[in-house]
Amino acid sequence: GENVEQHPSTLSVQEGDSAVIKCTYSDSASNYFPWYKQELGKGPQLIIDIRSNVGEKKDQRIAVTLNKTAKHFSLHITETQPEDSAVYFCAALPGGSYIPTFGRGTSLIVHP
Amino acid sequence: GAGVSQTPSNKVTEKGKYVELRCDPISGHTALYWYRQSLGQGPEFLIYFQGTGAADDSGLPNDRFFAVRPEGSVSTLKIQRTERGDSAVYLCASSPTGETQYFGPGTRLLVL
Repeated sequence: GENVEQHPSTLSVQEGDSAVIKCTYSDSASNYFPWYKQELGKGPQLIIDIRSNVGEKKDQRIAVTLNKTAKHFSLHITETQPEDSAVYFCAALPGGSYIPTFGRGTSLIVHP
Repeated sequence: GAGVSQTPSNKVTEKGKYVELRCDPISGHTALYWYRQSLGQGPEFLIYFQGTGAADDSGLPNDRFFAVRPEGSVSTLKIQRTERGDSAVYLCASSPTGETQYFGPGTRLLVL
């Protein structure tokens, strides 16, 4: 089955800096890669996703890049704000499957 | 509009007891998922419904766990003879397509 590795487990940045979270996957058949933000005491919320026919997608301060050859994808947050502090999860979904595999999460801390 | 709701938000029970956790998906979403999330981990897949039927229950850890969705909307996760190791956050998600998933806030289960 699919295996998703996520790094780093903790990321601490100053407000205004950029943050990058990286994930690798094992199943070359995976073709959908969502990113979720989970705040304390809440469920994960989808913030951005990318499909395997696209190399990069951007939504305001958030961008995701995908390298199919290397089987890795990354989340980029620019101009970080304290409200970006949360746990971020990547996931991979193989084509023809509806069962995503999640990474273990990255705790992002943005210091004011 | 209304998102995914889960009740109760917190449940404390004693080892050996039976518990039911409820999920109300977004109206019209045919796909419904149950996940379990332990501290410091990503969501772990339990079961996936498409309509009223369980399309994939391969994530259920053992036969103490069971879930139903009799009318294709509300779902109930049932845990018999609870054990301390069942303590976790149980997340429900719904999807119109089976790909992009919308999570509820979760039920925090504590087995004493």
